[in-house]
Amino acid sequence: DVKVTQSSRYLVKRTGEKVFLECVQDMDHENMFWYRQDPGLGLRLIYFSYDVKMKEKGDIPEGYSVSREKKERFSLILESASTNQTSMYLCASSLPGGITYNSPLHFGNGTRLTVT
Amino acid sequence: GESVGLHLPTLSVQEGDNSIINCAYSNSASDYFIWYKQESGKGPQFIIDIRSNMDKRQGQRVTVLLNKTVKHLSLQIAATQPGDSAVYFCAENILLPFMNTGFQKLVFGTGTRLLVSP
Repeated sequence: DVKVTQSSRYLVKRTGEKVFLECVQDMDHENMFWYRQDPGLGLRLIYFSYDVKMKEKGDIPEGYSVSREKKERFSLILESASTNQTSMYLCASSLPGGITYNSPLHFGNGTRLTVT
Repeated sequence: GESVGLHLPTLSVQEGDNSIINCAYSNSASDYFIWYKQESGKGPQFIIDIRSNMDKRQGQRVTVLLNKTVKHLSLQIAATQPGDSAVYFCAENILLPFMNTGFQKLVFGTGTRLLVSP
């Protein structure tokens, strides 16, 4: 089974702090994604990466950046955390070519970030 | 525009009943749809998917129906069990013109909570 592991289940940070959310997948997937999940808004795509060192903005990239130095690891960075970034963050991965039939996204269990 | 929505935010059923969770999508060009289940404290788990050239696909106790005419997707769960209690998301796959090869992204609905009473 695909395993997508997010390093922290819960994080509490202060406004203005730099925050790193880490994600590792063990299935040699080329594509990795960061979503945030908020009540009533569903899952929204922040950034994705289709290869090492490659990244593309999703729907809500403002206030975030990402790093993909190794194939298995995709980091989400909040340069200066703000209270409106309090959310559940979900990492996902998939095979190359994007999400296709029989190659869906595989998600980690999420990091619940609270910014105070 | 891109939007995927659900008709009912919460569905309560008795154990053993059949459950039907509905979803509307708006992008007629979407070619692939997925249902995910998310249990409390966990990430979404893939349940079943369907291509746009199909109108029905069956898995173990689950069936997805696709009606492209009215842009409607449904998930049917047979003999619902307490372990089926979760939030269910539909997602549509949208093709992004990207690097001349195309790249897809998923647009998710807001979710329906299924509550199963023993």
